[in-house]
Amino acid sequence: GAVVSQHPSRVICKSGTSVKIECRSLDFQATTMFWYRQFPKQSLMLMATSNEGSKATYEQGVEKDKFLINHASLTLSTLTVTSAHPEDSSFYICSAHQPGGADTQYFGPGTRLTVL
Amino acid sequence: GDSVTQMEGPVTLSEEAFLTINCTYTATGYPSLFWYVQYPGEGLQLLLKATKADDKGSNKGFEATYRKETTSFHLEKGSVQVSDSAVYFCALRGRAAGNKLTFGGGTRVLVKP
Repeated sequence: GAVVSQHPSRVICKSGTSVKIECRSLDFQATTMFWYRQFPKQSLMLMATSNEGSKATYEQGVEKDKFLINHASLTLSTLTVTSAHPEDSSFYICSAHQPGGADTQYFGPGTRLTVL
Repeated sequence: GDSVTQMEGPVTLSEEAFLTINCTYTATGYPSLFWYVQYPGEGLQLLLKATKADDKGSNKGFEATYRKETTSFHLEKGSVQVSDSAVYFCALRGRAAGNKLTFGGGTRVLVKP
């Protein structure tokens, strides 16, 4: 299947700082990428849909000013957690939609964010 | 709205046992259905999918059949291995969902040698 990478895989930061997470589709162009948050032993919660060249669409209850999403190219989307707090600590997962015949979402390996 | 319900875990079984994870869904129209697997500390991997009624998805010994009449997509494997220990997620993508996936709560499976 297609490959999606995330960087970094793990990050620890101090409260009040900002953290950027990158999501790349390595072997296909993705006009749409998605950002999820996963709490321990729970399912994935969709945070936002990232569309190349346009503003992201946020799910209800997700602060767009806190979770900044940029989809600057067909292979890269970034999520920036601004002014991070300990409650933002979580596992963040991105996915990229491969259109056409595959018509499938492929997921990145996730980024473990710990805010001290 | 769309929703997915799957059996709660954890499911603990012995190696070579038969595995079934139930998944039912609610959606308008005819969604596409997926099973994803998440190994410890990793992201989700697509395990199999089915896009229309009566389709059977299969991969790595796992199978699931799209049952429109029962709105179900149960995952089965005839003989599990320790390496199948993971969390399994059932998901659907509605026709009008703009490619968004709706996930079930996940089922943790633990296979003991």
